[in-house]
Parts: sequence; structure tokens; C-alpha cells
Amino acid sequence: DQQVKQNSPSLSVQEGRISILNCDYTNSMFDYFLWYKKYPAEGPTFLISISSIKDKNEDGRFTVFLNKSAKHLSLHIVPSQPGDSAVYFCAALGSSGTYKYIFGTGTRLKVLA
Amino acid sequence: ETGVTQTPRHLVMGMTNKKSLKCEQHLGHNAMYWYKQSAKKPLELMFVYNFKEQTENNSVPSRFSPECPNSSHLFLHLHTLQPEDSALYLCASSQEMGRGTGGFSGNTIYFGEGSWLTVV
Repeated sequence: DQQVKQNSPSLSVQEGRISILNCDYTNSMFDYFLWYKKYPAEGPTFLISISSIKDKNEDGRFTVFLNKSAKHLSLHIVPSQPGDSAVYFCAALGSSGTYKYIFGTGTRLKVLA
Repeated sequence: ETGVTQTPRHLVMGMTNKKSLKCEQHLGHNAMYWYKQSAKKPLELMFVYNFKEQTENNSVPSRFSPECPNSSHLFLHLHTLQPEDSALYLCASSQEMGRGTGGFSGNTIYFGEGSWLTVV
């Protein structure tokens, strides 16, 4: 049972435009969410996080939005740059004392120059 | 540079070999993790260590044997692996494990660059 889902395996966006990556979760006990970026042959790099007490967190070109009622979060990248082309993973952590980060399967973003 | 270093980056081994993956973190973290990433699958948690003590074994076969001599070092010993064990093995660390006192920022895990393992 996939508790964290990234339903779009790939996304192509023109340079300078907005990239929106989506993530859905099923467990209402998740209260901390993270986005990671992964280049080929490298480990995932932490990008941005959000706790359930917020609905938005911004860091430069990256903004994460959380809609708790819909159990949905999204990562916005504005403006998109060719160097943003990578696989993006969302991850969730529960509040029940578990330390198991549950990861989605990833979305491959391609930013076209 | 994430502060988590893994060696070797690439490893090819036969099914009867014994090898080890090494991970070292320079972040002063207390928790360390091994994850496995196979093609088109989510990252799978394998083992968790907190203050050198193993706190999680996610039903990993015994042909994978972890070792954590201190909070900065983590090993994954490999023996009699199968071709389906070929994958990217990722080490990670975090300041705290789970719901610690450091707030949410203490929960963020930082990954190494991974060790690509091919079993032939």
C-alpha cells in the first residue's frame, strides 16, 4: 500500500515557466513533509520541508504548499531553470513516534531550454 | 557535498563474494540509516541506528549485515547476494531520530551519494 504517491512519473516545462510537482498521501498521521532532488548517480539532496502547522513554506525559487484536508502537497519552482532537471521525491514523517520516512516514487522533471 | 560520504561509489561482486559498503557522516548527527533504491520503486528503508544502537531492521535478509561502531560510521556487510540485490544503496543521517527535541529541523535526513551495487 503506497502511503505517499507521486502520480506523475515525468514532467516537462519550458525554461522560465513554473514547475509544479504534486504529491498525495493517505495517512493523516503524517505531519512533516520533505522534498528531495536527485540527479543521476547521486544521492537525494534535501530541498525544502514543511510541517503540518503551516500551509506554505518558501525558500528562494522553491515553495511547498500543504493542503491537509486534501492530503496533498505540491512543490512550485519559479522560474524553472535547466539545472532543475532531476528526479524529485516527496517524503512524509508520521507523528506517532515512528522515524520511518515514507518516500514517493519520484517525478522526473525536465526543464527545456 | 552533503556531509555524508559513501565508499565505494561503484561495486561489482559475484554471488559468493563478501564485500562491505562504508558510510561516514561529518554532521554530528546521532541517527544513521541504510536505504535501498531499485528501479521504479520508492526508497526502501533497510536499517536505522540511533546512538549506535540498531532500532530498525525492516525485514532485511540476513545476507545484509549492518554495523555501527560509532555515531559517525555505518557499514553494510554483504555476503552471498543475489542478482536482484543490485541497486543503489544510500546512507543517510539525521540529527535526531523521529520525534526528538530538536523540532522538525532535527528530523531532516541527509543522504550520501550512494553506492551502486551490481551482483553478477
